[in-house]
Amino acid sequence: EVQLVQSGAEVKKPGESLKISCKGSGYSFTTYWIGWVRQMPGKGLEWMGIIYPGDSDTRYSPSFQGQVTISADKSITTAYLQWSSLKASDTAMYYCARRVGATEDFDYWGQGTLVTVSS
Amino acid sequence: NFMLTQPHSVSESPGKTVTISCTRSSGSIASNYVQWYQQRPGSSPTTVIYEDNQRPSGVPDRFSGSIDSSSNSASLTISGLKTEDEADYYCQSYDSSNVIFGGGTKLTVL
Repeated sequence: EVQLVQSGAEVKKPGESLKISCKGSGYSFTTYWIGWVRQMPGKGLEWMGIIYPGDSDTRYSPSFQGQVTISADKSITTAYLQWSSLKASDTAMYYCARRVGATEDFDYWGQGTLVTVSS
Repeated sequence: NFMLTQPHSVSESPGKTVTISCTRSSGSIASNYVQWYQQRPGSSPTTVIYEDNQRPSGVPDRFSGSIDSSSNSASLTISGLKTEDEADYYCQSYDSSNVIFGGGTKLTVL
């Protein structure tokens, strides 16, 4: 069974760093792209970027380029999303999702990680 | 980059048919596939339509997708509405450098 299991909810202060994770199982982790999607409270979905764990090829949405870093450790089948300095506006639910094929269809999603940034 | 515009909300009665539109602002709707995701409150999104009109296994055939080049839009049609269909629906497409989601449509079945 394909599963993407994300790390738990986080509460951070502005300026702090954070790295959240997404562990894949039940499939060949290195042969599917993993994307990250933000959902701010009460708002819609926003694509942040995507990584191919096989060779760590990474693409970012222009809106998120330079704001976050996406990485992966294929030895432990885990993808990451990290911030070096959080802002209150980073408060959101973050989902990882597996991309199938080349048509940007995300067929499996993690359960989401809620990040709250507040002083 | 382009935008995908959806109606903010739609409502319909159980048993009826509803269509949700998704209009691409620039570039042809037919140039890149469109996906549709359902998101129930408190849950992660799930695919109901991929590659314009394909249904994943497990999605009932009450769900169908289409594109219309004349209006440069995609549509999600749900027939025989059930209360369980009440959710937010997002269209999604892409170009060479970005993946774009529509703003989402809240479907109320009442």
